[in-house]
Amino acid sequence: KNQVEQSPQSLIILEGKNCTLQCNYTVSPFSNLRWYKQDTGRGPVSLTIMTFSENTKSNGRYTATLDADTKQSSLHITASQLSDSASYICVARLGRGNKLTFGTGTQLKVEL
Amino acid sequence: DTGVSQDPRHKITKRGQNVTFRCDPISEHNRLYWYRQTLGQGPEFLTYFQNEAQLEKSRLLSDRFSAERPKGSFSTLEIQRTEQGDSAMYLCASSSRRNDGTPRVLTFGAGSRLTVL
Repeated sequence: KNQVEQSPQSLIILEGKNCTLQCNYTVSPFSNLRWYKQDTGRGPVSLTIMTFSENTKSNGRYTATLDADTKQSSLHITASQLSDSASYICVARLGRGNKLTFGTGTQLKVEL
Repeated sequence: DTGVSQDPRHKITKRGQNVTFRCDPISEHNRLYWYRQTLGQGPEFLTYFQNEAQLEKSRLLSDRFSAERPKGSFSTLEIQRTEQGDSAMYLCASSSRRNDGTPRVLTFGAGSRLTVL
């Protein structure tokens, strides 16, 4: 069964600190791995997309890594801001068709 | 163009009633997707269109659900005889092929939240 698992389920950090979110996937055949940010009550917004041949990609203070051998990805947030408070969802795409498999997300809260 | 628009943003209905959601995608996007998201879960794929053709449907899309995209632009998602288990956020997304061959980026709308009493 194609699955995406994320950890931790939730995280609280102080403003200015860094954090790393984890994602393990069992999607096969694998095409690409995406990270989305979802604010409460809003739709997800794309942060990064990595194909199986890429192992890192940055978008401002967000840096995603991918290890296609171990089927693991991480999202590192640098110098966190209050506006980073959101759910961060890891998404894996199958190598065929157009189905995206979403994780349940990591709920991040950044506090003063 | 301000992105993907969904209407209504919130809908409260009684069990057994029919509801319809509308999605207006980004105008140049040829693909349109519907997802369902329940509290604390990630979105689940329901169906997608390429232009006006519905190319894939999830088994989650029971016979009470129907989606259309008659002119390849806006889309509607109708739920007939609603049940309490239909309560969820219904998300629409759209995408277009990228000239550089990189993967399509899905742009999501803000969603339509359905509450079935």
